[in-house]
Amino acid sequence: NAGVTQTPKFQVLKTGQSMTLQCAQDMNHEYMSWYRQDPGMGLRLIHYSVGAGITDQGEVPNGYNVSRSTTEDFPLRLLSAAPSQTSVYFCASSYRGLRGRNTIYFGEGSWLTVV
Amino acid sequence: GESVGLHLPTLSVQEGDNSIINCAYSNSASDYFIWYKQESGKGPQFIIDIRSNMDKRQGQRVTVLLNKTVKHLSLQIAATQPGDSAVYFCAEYVSGAQKLVFGQGTRLTINP
Repeated sequence: NAGVTQTPKFQVLKTGQSMTLQCAQDMNHEYMSWYRQDPGMGLRLIHYSVGAGITDQGEVPNGYNVSRSTTEDFPLRLLSAAPSQTSVYFCASSYRGLRGRNTIYFGEGSWLTVV
Repeated sequence: GESVGLHLPTLSVQEGDNSIINCAYSNSASDYFIWYKQESGKGPQFIIDIRSNMDKRQGQRVTVLLNKTVKHLSLQIAATQPGDSAVYFCAEYVSGAQKLVFGQGTRLTINP
């Protein structure tokens, strides 16, 4: 998963706490996105960005905020953590969005547990 | 609605045999389909993709077949190796929606 870095790798939160998952890429990719993966499931899109200053909602945006102030960074904020947000979170990026046969690079994942 | 699903949640094959992983999709308006491999504790890795106007595409030891008539996608892995053990996901690019729709995943295990 060269080029997409996620931190932290593991995090335990108490219900109601807030936190930010960091994602950075050094490939000058325009498109970045956040997915969550629940046990035995595929990935579901939370939020995405097609460039600096532009963000949009995916399939499951509730409870999460994002911003894209730079091309490199796309942090995901949990405003008030809930047990239903216990999941593995993946950040992904690609050069020109999902049009055409562009390779999408995924980070290694962030394991979040909300108790 | 959009959905991408897999016929078999688990698949066990003998080392050296060929593996076939299947996927069904429901959205006819997709641009292309992608297969990902996800090893334990890691993010998905791109394997191969295929445009919706193609029937077959080959890579190194992998072949993807697309049957638009029955909305079926398959990934064939030749001469399966222990390193092929992973969960395999198909994903469908939804045109204009800037998102991938992932299937549930198939866990491939290799028997020595």
